[in-house]
Amino acid sequence: DQQVKQNSPSLSVQEGRISILNCDYTNSMFDYFLWYKKYPAEGPTFLISISSIKDKNEDGRFTVFLNKSAKHLSLHIVPSQPGDSAVYFCAASAANTGNQFYFGTGTSLTVIP
Amino acid sequence: DAGVIQSPRHEVTEMGQEVTLRCKPISGHDYLFWYRQTMMRGLELLIYFNNNVPIDDSGMPEDRFSAKMPNASFSTLKIQPSEPRDSAVYFCASSLGRGWKRYTFGSGTRLTVV
Repeated sequence: DQQVKQNSPSLSVQEGRISILNCDYTNSMFDYFLWYKKYPAEGPTFLISISSIKDKNEDGRFTVFLNKSAKHLSLHIVPSQPGDSAVYFCAASAANTGNQFYFGTGTSLTVIP
Repeated sequence: DAGVIQSPRHEVTEMGQEVTLRCKPISGHDYLFWYRQTMMRGLELLIYFNNNVPIDDSGMPEDRFSAKMPNASFSTLKIQPSEPRDSAVYFCASSLGRGWKRYTFGSGTRLTVV
């Protein structure tokens, strides 16, 4: 059973515009969330994180928003650049599951120049 | 540090053959994870180790899959016998410490079973 869901397999955005990638989760015990970015033929690399004590975390062009009541998080990329074209995975963890992260199925972002 | 190193990068094998995937974690990391990436399920955890001891192997799909970590610098994931549905990209990741820790992933092994 998929505890972390990314319902949009793909997303296309014009360069300079905002990209919004969404992620939903089912386990209310999840308290730490990550976004990973993956280029073809490479492993996923860490992008940004957020803990459940916050509802927003910003790092440059990347902002992650967390809505605990809706069990929803989103990644905003502003402005989008062609180099942002990649697959983005969200992941969630709960303190009571130790160090185990549950990943979504990924969203493939294409930024059109 | 060279990061997490996986070998081979690509593996093509015939159904029924044994396949062994290898991983060298980052030196000093005490957690090691094996993930499988498929279109339908995304990144799914197969097994993870802490200090070379398997902690949770509930994600291993069948008895055909086995994993070992004989020392802190090496782990293997073995599939015997392999089947076409095992075709996927297999990732190894490592991290330091418990709790809110991010993983460092290897580049993956793309396995094709024909």
